[in-house]
Amino acid sequence: EIVLTQSPATLSLSPGERATLSCRASQSVSNYLGWYQHKPGQAPRLLIYDASNRATGIPARFSGSGSGTDFTLTISSLEPEDFAVYYCQQRSNYWTFGQGSKVEVK
Amino acid sequence: EVLLAESGGNLVQPGGSLRLSCAASGSTFGAWWMFWVRQAPGKGLEWVANINPDGSRTNYVDSVRGRFTISRDNAKNSLYLQMDNLRAEDTAVYYCVRISNHWFDSWGRGTLVTVSS
Repeated sequence: EIVLTQSPATLSLSPGERATLSCRASQSVSNYLGWYQHKPGQAPRLLIYDASNRATGIPARFSGSGSGTDFTLTISSLEPEDFAVYYCQQRSNYWTFGQGSKVEVK
Repeated sequence: EVLLAESGGNLVQPGGSLRLSCAASGSTFGAWWMFWVRQAPGKGLEWVANINPDGSRTNYVDSVRGRFTISRDNAKNSLYLQMDNLRAEDTAVYYCVRISNHWFDSWGRGTLVTVSS
């Protein structure tokens, strides 16, 4: 099983600040890495697929990078609606998720 | 737009059974790979099971294999998860999810399963 480790567990920031989230895989997943946003009581939403491609309708402030074992999700300038939990997910070998990183209001 | 709506979640005793359903909108349900993904309280997301478009192939995470059965009825645009011999650790919100271009692009809002005596 491929284990995904996300850091930090919690990120406390203010609107307008830059958020940088990390995801590390226990073995190479090539670029088969995606990112999801999840708000309480809502369905998770696909943000980024294949490490760096924005999903349909996702604002340009969200960007992804990385390959192999190390990946990053960057939110360039936080909007109020961006405070949520973010999960990375790999599809290289079955499907596993990271444990999540919470972006909270400072 | 794809709409997915889960139902069937409930409180059940350990060792009991439950059947979850997912109703899907759209005329192309029969072309989709479908998944169940769960989230235990305070935990992250976990892939549980998936099924191919015609229902002939299924996969399960090790912790549920032999206890859970995923199935579908394409004529009814419906996905199911039969859960038997339930354990406390199966307590979670269960999401019905469609995959498109290899990624989980459409999710339902989830249904809560609580396994407790």
